[in-house]
Amino acid sequence: ETGVTQTPRHLVMGMTNKKSLKCEQHLGHNAMYWYKQSAKKPLELMFVYNFKEQTENNSVPSRFSPECPNSSHLFLHLHTLQPEDSALYLCASSVRLGGEETQYFGPGTRLLVL
Amino acid sequence: GNSVTQMEGPVTLSEEAFLTINCTYTATGYPSLFWYVQYPGEGLQLLLKATKADDKGSNKGFEATYRKETTSFHLEKGSVQVSDSAVYFCALSDRSDMRFGAGTRLTVKP
Repeated sequence: ETGVTQTPRHLVMGMTNKKSLKCEQHLGHNAMYWYKQSAKKPLELMFVYNFKEQTENNSVPSRFSPECPNSSHLFLHLHTLQPEDSALYLCASSVRLGGEETQYFGPGTRLLVL
Repeated sequence: GNSVTQMEGPVTLSEEAFLTINCTYTATGYPSLFWYVQYPGEGLQLLLKATKADDKGSNKGFEATYRKETTSFHLEKGSVQVSDSAVYFCALSDRSDMRFGAGTRLTVKP
């Protein structure tokens, strides 16, 4: 148990569906992250939020829409996804104050797009 | 820029064998270094870390020493168990820039 929870753990959706992934951290951290982990590819950083403000968007397609209502919650809204978007989506959190930081990860949501 | 390179897998060992997974890094500043482990069907878990040169991180029998002169942070364990089968990621954090290696899959056979 790392203090970061993600729901759902598994999700199957069609290309026309709209769904949302949820992440919650109970560690008092101020930064939250979305990563995509595909088979045989390095971990890809998608979005970074620091004190609820988005500070990074690494050229992620607009069919992925993040939302961070407060420092403890992070959502990833999905719409009109493609089969190649099937992957494990990992949420992480950290204390981001410009110095050394350690990221703590949730268990991930395994997404399958049909 | 910052980057991490770790040995490609997969690595297959017999139980009680000695493990080394090599990791080297490139950084413009003075990074902190990490090893994360990912068990099947789970997210990444922090295994150990070191924040400055010559520090040794250790946990669950695993060790890694921050070597600035060779820019390395190799992961070692003296006697692996079947339960250590997982994917291991080396990572660095340098002023909020986090970089991960590609991961090394370890399989330990009884």
